[in-house]
Amino acid sequence: AQTVTQSQPEMSVQEAETVTLSCTYDTSESDYYLFWYKQPPSRQMILVIRQEAYKQQNATENRFSVNFQKAAKSFSLKISDSQLGDAAMYFCAYRLLYSGAGSYQLTFGKGTKLSVIP
Amino acid sequence: DSGVTQTPKHLITATGQRVTLRCSPRSGDLSVYWYQQSLDQGLQFLIQYYNGEERAKGNILERFSAQQFPDLHSELNLSSLELGDSALYFCASSPRASGGITDTQYFGPGTRLTVL
Repeated sequence: AQTVTQSQPEMSVQEAETVTLSCTYDTSESDYYLFWYKQPPSRQMILVIRQEAYKQQNATENRFSVNFQKAAKSFSLKISDSQLGDAAMYFCAYRLLYSGAGSYQLTFGKGTKLSVIP
Repeated sequence: DSGVTQTPKHLITATGQRVTLRCSPRSGDLSVYWYQQSLDQGLQFLIQYYNGEERAKGNILERFSAQQFPDLHSELNLSSLELGDSALYFCASSPRASGGITDTQYFGPGTRLTVL
């Protein structure tokens, strides 16, 4: 079974600074996807960024980028120029690329609560 | 706004009762997933439906059941409720169940269930 670990329950960053959230995962599969979801106080789950494991290039979305290290099974999220609106819970998630059963559920980490200090 | 709708937003009920949570997927999405978010268990997958058929089960209790209707909306039924069932229940939808990168799941706003 796949597992996702986020070792930092809470982190804080000064506004306009950069912060990196860590995520490691365990899988015996070679093809999969990784995601970061943001959950602000509204509780809505918002997709931040996604990475295909078969792509070596790290994904970027504006101020958000990832550092994907497949051999180390590490998938960290870097937030640059942090803004007050970035304050939220961040969840790392894993999903298979291919499932013979046609099931593609997400496996989530426990989350990291990010605070942004003005 | 993800395009996924869930009703009701909040639900307060008593132990032993039965409730139904409703989810309408994004237009055109055939696959619906249900997840439970609780303080102690985190976010857990419950069950998936694709075009009306059950595709996979996760950590779903026997007291819970779900179905997807011909118009593709889905309902999650929770019965014989216990205090520990209090949680946020999310529905997510994706276009297919093909595994492709475009098959990303988009989440609804959730239903907060409180069992007293």
